Amino acid sequence: GEDVEQSLFLSVREGDSSVINCTYTDSSSTYLYWYKQEPGAGLQLLTYIFSNMDMKQDQRLTVLLNKKDKHLSLRIADTQTGDSAIYFCAEREVDSGNTPLVFGKGTRLSVIA
Amino acid sequence: EPEVTQTPSHQVTQMGQEVILRCVPISNHLYFYWYRQILGQKVEFLVSFYNNEISEKSEIFDDQFSVERPDGSNFTLKIRSTKLEDSAMYFCANEGTGSTDTQYFGPGTRLTVL
Repeated sequence: GEDVEQSLFLSVREGDSSVINCTYTDSSSTYLYWYKQEPGAGLQLLTYIFSNMDMKQDQRLTVLLNKKDKHLSLRIADTQTGDSAIYFCAEREVDSGNTPLVFGKGTRLSVIA
Repeated sequence: EPEVTQTPSHQVTQMGQEVILRCVPISNHLYFYWYRQILGQKVEFLVSFYNNEISEKSEIFDDQFSVERPDGSNFTLKIRSTKLEDSAMYFCANEGTGSTDTQYFGPGTRLTVL
């Protein structure tokens, strides 16, 4: 079955770039997502990319996809203390309609002022 | 951004009791999902629901669980006889019917079973 893996922790200094990595196993057409979870809050969709794309940029966020290695990364430029949260990578197949998401365990990003 | 709401935010119950978790979806978003997150673990899929019936369910979603839309608006998850291991955050998610639509999550209900 599908599986998504992430490193559990990342610590960066305010103003630096953060890079959060994710690997996945699904080999079919897939969407890949990044969600953010702040303490006590739900899952906020940040961005997503389809598996036929290599890169997507949205303001401070850059998503890079290496299809050969099944590796996805989220880069946050100029990281701020407000970016401290857990970041979840998720994937879903798109061939069979509205399918559930498969999540990684989440990466806890700590931003040091 | 569209908003999914959930009630209650926190539910404490005794083992063996029934609980009902509620979700108010985004208007006109017709796909519904329940996920759960046990503390420190992955967010896991429980069940999806469309057109008043279950579309897909995971192994976790056994006979103790049920879902419905009692009034055509709210979407509920019922656990008939709670167990200690049901303690988790339960997230409702909602999605439109477009091919590029995404799932919007509610803030979650923290269920604590004593």
